[in-house]
Amino acid sequence: KNQVEQSPQSLIILEGKNCTLQCNYTVSPFSNLRWYKQDTGRGPVSLTIMTFSENTKSNGRYTATLDADTKQSSLHITASQLSDSASYICVVSDLNNAGNMLTFGGGTRLMVKP
Amino acid sequence: IAGITQAPTSQILAAGRRMTLRCTQDMRHNAMYWYRQDLGLGLRLIHYSNTAGTTGKGEVPDGYSVSRANTDDFPLTLASAVPSQTSVYFCASSPTGSNYGYTFGSGTRLTVV
Repeated sequence: KNQVEQSPQSLIILEGKNCTLQCNYTVSPFSNLRWYKQDTGRGPVSLTIMTFSENTKSNGRYTATLDADTKQSSLHITASQLSDSASYICVVSDLNNAGNMLTFGGGTRLMVKP
Repeated sequence: IAGITQAPTSQILAAGRRMTLRCTQDMRHNAMYWYRQDLGLGLRLIHYSNTAGTTGKGEVPDGYSVSRANTDDFPLTLASAVPSQTSVYFCASSPTGSNYGYTFGSGTRLTVV
């Protein structure tokens, strides 16, 4: 069964600090990996999408990495801001059901404190 | 309308009642999806539609039905609600193709009592 595991489940950091969120997956065959940000009471919003051949992708202060060999991804947030407080969800798509069968991780809840 | 609109934003429903959650998009995306999000769990796919006129079952389809009469609308119906259907429901859409991101609505918080 396809699985996506995220760690830590929750994280508290001070404003201005950096942090790294982890994602391990067992989805096969792999199509792409996505990171979403979900603010409280809102729907998820896409941050990055990476295919098999991409090792890193940035979106402003967010940088995602992908190691397809070890089936691991990370999301690095630089110089955190209060508005970064949200849940961050790792999502992996498999090639057989691309577009229809995404496997979602349980998310990492990040709180940025002043 | 910009993106995806879901209605209602929240609802308290008596068990056994019928309920339709509405979802409309204005991006002309071919594919649409319904997910439920429960505390501690990742989003789970209920039903999907790759194009108008077609639908498919996701991971947790029991107790739910959908229709896709046109490109823009994708309603989700609970024929006879049960307490285990208490959840937050998200509608999403995407262009055809696996490497496009999904656009999500703001969700419907449903409580079945």
